[in-house]
Amino acid sequence: DSGVTQTPKHLITATGQRVTLRCSPRSGDLSVYWYQQSLDQGLQFLIQYYNGEERAKGNILERFSAQQFPDLHSELNLSSLELGDSALYFCASSVRSGGSRDTQYFGPGTRLTVL
Amino acid sequence: AQKITQTQPGMFVQEKEAVTLDCTYDTSDPSYGLFWYKQPSSGEMIFLIYQGSYDQQNATEGRYSLNFQKARKSANLVISASQLGDSAMYFCAMRPSTGNQFYFGTGTSLTVIP
Repeated sequence: DSGVTQTPKHLITATGQRVTLRCSPRSGDLSVYWYQQSLDQGLQFLIQYYNGEERAKGNILERFSAQQFPDLHSELNLSSLELGDSALYFCASSVRSGGSRDTQYFGPGTRLTVL
Repeated sequence: AQKITQTQPGMFVQEKEAVTLDCTYDTSDPSYGLFWYKQPSSGEMIFLIYQGSYDQQNATEGRYSLNFQKARKSANLVISASQLGDSAMYFCAMRPSTGNQFYFGTGTSLTVIP
């Protein structure tokens, strides 16, 4: 158990809908990262927050948004869902916002299925 | 540009044997960290081992060791005495000291044969 929690574990929804994925980082970690893992795309970095502020942005679609709250938990909002958004969404956390020694620890993931 | 390459999409190893999973990287940053993660079929990503670019010795964590060859820009994972539970996808990742991102390879699927 990495100490990173994600809810829900599974999510099934329809095209056009909006969902919210939730993540709580490990105790003491200030950074939260979101990743998308689909079969044909591998592990894609979406966005990073550090202590409530956005720090890095990857291949995140405009239909997706995220935020990190004062208690450091984070939410990833996915809207106008398409079939291609079906994937495993990971949250990871680390102590700092960067640096070569800053290890990321991953949550168990949320498996999103869009029908 | 930062890049991680894992050239072995699939590997097989006999139980109790050792196996090496290859990883090469490219970065212009003089300081960086190298990481290996395991993803079993259940889906979670498990941190295995870390190697810093300035570390003098190769990292070891139990049955996992990292064969770090800085001049060749390679960071191969060695799993000794393979167990059936080692069957999983293995991802190599790099984090430069500058910037915020991790860079992941495409992964290697390891199957341990009884």
